[in-house]
Amino acid sequence: QVQLVESGAEVKKPGSSVKVSCKASGGTFVRNYAISWVRQAPGQGLEWMGGITAIFGTVNYAQKFQGRVTITADEPTSTAYMELSSLRSDDTAVYYCAKHNGYALSGFYMDVWGKGTTVTV
Amino acid sequence: EIVLTQSPGTLSLSPGERATLSCRASQSVTNNYLAWYQQNPGQAPRLLIYGAFSRATGIPDRFSGSGSGTDFTLTISRLEPEDFAVYYCQQYGSSPQSFGQGTKLEL
Repeated sequence: QVQLVESGAEVKKPGSSVKVSCKASGGTFVRNYAISWVRQAPGQGLEWMGGITAIFGTVNYAQKFQGRVTITADEPTSTAYMELSSLRSDDTAVYYCAKHNGYALSGFYMDVWGKGTTVTV
Repeated sequence: EIVLTQSPGTLSLSPGERATLSCRASQSVTNNYLAWYQQNPGQAPRLLIYGAFSRATGIPDRFSGSGSGTDFTLTISRLEPEDFAVYYCQQYGSSPQSFGQGTKLEL
């Protein structure tokens, strides 16, 4: 079964950017499966930020993050990335990557999650 | 955007009891693409139910999902100590995907 491993915790200054990686072990997940990024602020619920489809690499972002978030995927290394710019204190959260059980975002549920990366602004 | 509202916010029960968690959508969920996740403190969410009623691999049969359209329910038939956690519903039928605010199941 695919496992997802995110990069380590980050501490950033307001106004800067952060780039979090999500590497898969055990499969060609970038080629075959869509990937979403979900964040969770301290003591709060889950918030879908956006995702990238397999095959064509089409991205879809939640409107809240449009213009600030960039999601990419690198097939040879089976790694997905989420970059968030113009960081504010309310971006402090745990950021999760999650694999969908199919090539698209809609219509396919998130079945495997990484352990999350803490970003502190 | 589909807004999911979960109730109750907190549910206080004891082991062996039955838990019923509700998730109501602001509009019909496409093809009943509704999932339920369990989250323990400091851990990532774990998929329990997808497609409104299908159990994910390895999930005990005391967990069941039901509902369609705009009203969905997660039922835990006999609570075990490890079931006390936060539960989220999520719709993945239309963009943007969205989560409910969560129900905390406490001892």
